Amino acid sequence: EAQVTQNPRYLITVTGKKLTVTCSQNMNHEYMSWYRQDPGLGLRQIYYSMNVEVTDKGDVPEGYKVSRKEKRNFPLILESPSPNQTSLYFCASGFQEGLAQHFGDGTRLSIL
Amino acid sequence: TQLLEQSPQFLSIQEGENLTVYCNSSSVFSSLQWYRQEPGEGPVLLVTVVTGGEVKKLKRLTFQFGDARKDSSLHITAAQPGDTGLYLCAGAAETNFGNEKLTFGTGTRLTIIP
Repeated sequence: EAQVTQNPRYLITVTGKKLTVTCSQNMNHEYMSWYRQDPGLGLRQIYYSMNVEVTDKGDVPEGYKVSRKEKRNFPLILESPSPNQTSLYFCASGFQEGLAQHFGDGTRLSIL
Repeated sequence: TQLLEQSPQFLSIQEGENLTVYCNSSSVFSSLQWYRQEPGEGPVLLVTVVTGGEVKKLKRLTFQFGDARKDSSLHITAAQPGDTGLYLCAGAAETNFGNEKLTFGTGTRLTIIP
């Protein structure tokens, strides 16, 4: 089954404690991205990757890091999380950004 | 950054009624996608429209791309409780670097009352 898998689905943690949200896709997509979804603000892109070892900032990259060492994986790293990073996060993949995107089921992060 | 405004922001109607939601921008898009997002899940693609004036039908859902490729609408006939969800439009436009960037609207939250 074609899918994008995110882990964990839910996480409550404290300010400053480094965390990683993993994302894996099994569709051999070149393009992967991370979004955060906040009420009234819609989906905002954090980082994207056009292929292995190629990453770039999206619209709201501050406080986040990513890596793309393998085609299927695109982890999102919060080195020192802060409360304003409390949000619902989605990983997505597709053959290109302008084409149909497949989304994971989301990770709800709460930073206390 | 292109902006996509969706209206209405919230819509609650009775089962069996018809409805239309809108996605508007001042920018031209090469294509426009519609997604539906249900609670606890990620957005799922419903349709992509590419040509100005294009109309696509998906059972009771009719999608239209504006002639100038700046706006789109989604019409649902005889709404069912299963249509409940957050509807997102997303426009694809070419950047100065030659790649395409996808911009999402803020969504219309639709509730169908049985």
